[in-house]
Amino acid sequence: DTEVTQTPKHLVMGMTNKKSLKCEQHMGHRAMYWYKQKAKKPPELMFVYSYEKLSINESVPSRFSPECPNSSLLNLHLHALQPEDSALYLCASHLAGGADEQFFGPGTRLTVL
Amino acid sequence: GDSVTQMEGPVTLSEEAFLTINCTYTATGYPSLFWYVQYPGEGLQLLLKATKADDKGSNKGFEATYRKETTSFHLEKGSVQVSDSAVYFCALMEPQGGSEKLVFGKGTKLTVNP
Repeated sequence: DTEVTQTPKHLVMGMTNKKSLKCEQHMGHRAMYWYKQKAKKPPELMFVYSYEKLSINESVPSRFSPECPNSSLLNLHLHALQPEDSALYLCASHLAGGADEQFFGPGTRLTVL
Repeated sequence: GDSVTQMEGPVTLSEEAFLTINCTYTATGYPSLFWYVQYPGEGLQLLLKATKADDKGSNKGFEATYRKETTSFHLEKGSVQVSDSAVYFCALMEPQGGSEKLVFGKGTKLTVNP
């Protein structure tokens, strides 16, 4: 199984809502990532979890809260988002400790009204 | 810090034309190099990779060679198809003890017309 899955595929939320994005992989990868991608731009790194510990936070606003419940799952909790947070949110996983490729999920298309 | 510079485009070609998308990089160590492709409305897929100098990555008719002397990893395909229309990202990664980061170029949008 070389797949990263993400749910939901699409999400529309108001600025006062709380929602969560979910990501799962069963490749035994120990590094997992959240990226934000705006139209016509490359993915922008948000968070890195390595061995279930948060290792990189790229100065992301606190309205985004990551969680790694176990080595296969990664969540991104969303609260009080702004319309400019509308984007494609991509999850990725990686073997950790080497320089092999990251595997990306299909993404969640988020719209904040 | 590490960086990747790639031809931004957009690039528009006719079917069966030859494709080159230039990519050069700056890195402190010995990175692995990647080309990812993103089709409309989808996530990123690995197209090909090379992990050391002079390696050639290839997949689906696409090729790229890791050139350390010119710090380049140009993507080529001899005959493009309409189905190759997508955005292509060049990227590098260096080992960092478990918190490796992908550094992306800005992406090149390719449109292939029939």
